[in-house]
Amino acid sequence: GENVEQHPSTLSVQEGDSAVIKCTYSDSASNYFPWYKQELGKRPQLIIDIRSNVGEKKDQRIAVTLNKTAKHFSLHITETQPEDSAVYFCAASGVFGNEKLTFGTGTRLTIIP
Amino acid sequence: GAGVSQTPSNKVTEKGKYVELRCDPISGHTALYWYRQSLGQGPEFLIYFQGTGAADDSGLPNDRFFAVRPEGSVSTLKIQRTERGDSAVYLCASSLSSSGGYNEQFFGPGTRLTVL
Repeated sequence: GENVEQHPSTLSVQEGDSAVIKCTYSDSASNYFPWYKQELGKRPQLIIDIRSNVGEKKDQRIAVTLNKTAKHFSLHITETQPEDSAVYFCAASGVFGNEKLTFGTGTRLTIIP
Repeated sequence: GAGVSQTPSNKVTEKGKYVELRCDPISGHTALYWYRQSLGQGPEFLIYFQGTGAADDSGLPNDRFFAVRPEGSVSTLKIQRTERGDSAVYLCASSLSSSGGYNEQFFGPGTRLTVL
């Protein structure tokens, strides 16, 4: 089955600087890669996703890049703000018609004011 | 509109007891997923429903775990003879029909299960 690895496990960034979180996946059939943000005690919420026919996607301060050959994808947050502090999870899904997600182990992002 | 809801929000039980966890998906969402999240980990897939049928139950850890969705809406996750290792947050997610492609999964707030 699919295996997703995520790094780093913790990340501290000065407010206003950029943050990058990286994930690798094992199943070359995977073709959907969402990123979820989870605040303490809250539910995971989708912040951005990318499909395999696209190499990069951007939404305001958030961007995701995908390298299918290397089987890795990354989340980029620019101009970080204190409200960006949370745990971020990458995930992968590969079977059309069954979008069960395989999650990474998460990155705890702390924005230092 | 209302999001995914789960009840109870917290459940404390004793080892060996039976528990039921309920999920109300977003109206019109035919796909429903159950995940389990242990402390410091990402959600782990348990079971997926498309309509009333369990399309993939490969994530259920053993036969103590069972889930139903009899009318294609509300789902119940049932755990028999609970063990301390079952303690976790159980998350439910729903999405539009998966037959048309990949759709966002909306998560519920979870049920925190504690087995003493």
